[in-house]
Formats: sequence, C-alpha cells, structure tokens
Amino acid sequence: EVQMEESGGGLIQPGGSLRLSCSTSGFPFRGYRMNWVRQAPGKGLEWVSYISSSGSTKHYADSVKGRFTISRDNAKNSLYLQMNSLRTDDTAVYYCARELEYGGPFDDWGQGTLVTVST
Amino acid sequence: HSALTQPASVSGSPGQSTTISCTGTSSDVGGYNFVSWYQQHPGKAPKLIIYDVSNRPPGVSNRFSGSKSGNTASLTISGLQAEDEADYYCKSYTSNNTRYVVFGGGTKVTVL
Repeated sequence: EVQMEESGGGLIQPGGSLRLSCSTSGFPFRGYRMNWVRQAPGKGLEWVSYISSSGSTKHYADSVKGRFTISRDNAKNSLYLQMNSLRTDDTAVYYCARELEYGGPFDDWGQGTLVTVST
Repeated sequence: HSALTQPASVSGSPGQSTTISCTGTSSDVGGYNFVSWYQQHPGKAPKLIIYDVSNRPPGVSNRFSGSKSGNTASLTISGLQAEDEADYYCKSYTSNNTRYVVFGGGTKVTVL
C-alpha cells in the first residue's frame, strides 16, 4: 500500500524558515517524480514545486522561486521542501504528490501539513 | 488568478448528470493530452479521478468521464450521488516556461 506522510508544518513568523518532509513507503520511491502542492485556507490547489526521480531536474512556481528549495533522499524514501523568507501568503496546507509521468497526473497524495505564517 | 478557468459551482439532483468545464489555452489544455481531474472532499487530500483527458484509474466509478475539445476539457458526472458532492479541480501540463503544471480554480459540485 502506498503511504505518504508530510511533517514539519507549524506556526512561523514572517521572514522565518521551515523544512517540510514527506516520508513514503509502499512503492519504489527512487523511480518516481514528486511534487509539492499547496492549498491556502478556503482556496484552490496551487502547484509549488517538482523534482525528477534522480533529483537532477527541479521546477518552481514563480510565487516561491528563490525562496523555496525542493530536494529528495532516495535512500531514505523521503521528499523535502526547504522554505525560507516565509510570507503570510505562504499560509497553506502543503501536500506531497507522486507523479506518474512527466507533466502527467498526480496519482497519490499525502494528507498534508499545515503551515501558518503569522505574527 | 488561476491559469485554467472552471465554473465556481454546479449543481444537480440525484441521478442527473452534470458537466464541469476547464478552459485553458493552446499552451496547456489545447496543446497536450496531460489533463487530469481531482476530487476533494472537505478536509481531505485530493484524489485523482481522470488522467490523460479521459482515462479512469482503477477503482474510480465509471460515472466519471472526461473529454477535451480545443482548449477546453470537461468532466462529466453521470447519475449524481450524494457522495459526489465535493470540489473538483482540473490540472494540465503547460509549456509556459515559467510554470510546469497549472490547476483550475476549482468547482464546487452540490447534489440537491
């Protein structure tokens, strides 16, 4: 059974940093592309970042480019999102999502972790 | 401002059919068959229900179907059931070099 669990969310002040983790099991993690998607309270889904199976290719949404860094550790079956210079509009539930093919569907999602950026 | 345009809400009575549109451009929906649809119940993670325009993953009801014409993709729910009440999002690959994939703004389906 595929399992993906995010962690690392919490309350952080504007300008602060957080590192999210997505721990996976039940599938060959090193063979899959992965993404982060976020959802602000009461709002829609917003794609945040992509990483290839090897970690050599990364993409970022304009809204986080230069502030967020995606990475992975295939030996630990884990995905990460380092978030720096956090702003209040980064407040959202952050989901990790497994991708079936480049540009293709996200076929499995974690349950999400809430990040709240506030004073 | 979402890159893909969806109606904010649609509704229907149990047993009826309803269709949700997802309008993009030739750089996304119109240019590729990488359109997928997701169902999200309140407080839950999104669930993939349609991929590559019209394919259903294993275990997804055949009451859900997808299609595409030009720059607009559509999701049709046939035989509406109470459990179909949820938010639905389309997603597409985009060749816009500042993005990778884009979501629609989401559509709330209400079963009357």
